[in-house]
Amino acid sequence: GQNIDQPTEMTATEGAIVQINCTYQTSGFNGLFWYQQHAGEAPTFLSYNVLDGLEEKGRFSSFLSRSKGYSYLLLKELQMKDSASYLCAVNSGAGSYQLTFGKGTKLSVIP
Amino acid sequence: KAGVTQTPRYLIKTRGQQVTLSCSPISGHRSVSWYQQTPGQGLQFLFEYFSETQRNKGNFPGRFSGRQFSNSRSEMNVSTLELGDSALYLCASSPDSTGGDGYTFGSGTRLTVV
Repeated sequence: GQNIDQPTEMTATEGAIVQINCTYQTSGFNGLFWYQQHAGEAPTFLSYNVLDGLEEKGRFSSFLSRSKGYSYLLLKELQMKDSASYLCAVNSGAGSYQLTFGKGTKLSVIP
Repeated sequence: KAGVTQTPRYLIKTRGQQVTLSCSPISGHRSVSWYQQTPGQGLQFLFEYFSETQRNKGNFPGRFSGRQFSNSRSEMNVSTLELGDSALYLCASSPDSTGGDGYTFGSGTRLTVV
């Protein structure tokens, strides 16, 4: 079966750093995605990891350990606009797309 | 360039009816995937099409079907609607078989079944 776990909710202070963890157990692995979704809007792409290690994109970084079935998304210098749901997804399609999503982590940034 | 376009944005249907949703991918993208998003289940994979062929299918009943045209536009159809089909239906397009930041979602169609 496919299983992706991430915390339901997190709260962090403006200007701080927050780490959102994701653990997964899937029948196949062809990359891990992180998306941001504001209420009522489409998910927007944040990062993609297919090899172990850290990928950095501005204020956002994502880490992957395939042997541990683990990833995290790191958000630095938090801004109020970062309040949103963050979705972890694993592509289990072989040469194709079949993403399994976690339920999402709702992040609230407070002043 | 234009993003992924889904029509209509909102739809209200009655139980037992059928519905067709449309997705126009980003120009040049040949892969189109469909997802259902509900508060309880989150985002769940429905199916993926590439060059008019269904490559993957999720665990949904046969009432859910789709197709892709030669211009890569895709439609999904739900027959005999049930109240539980009320959801946000999202499509995503990508230019190639696998990869990262090319996988782009549309704004979705909000379906309400009454």
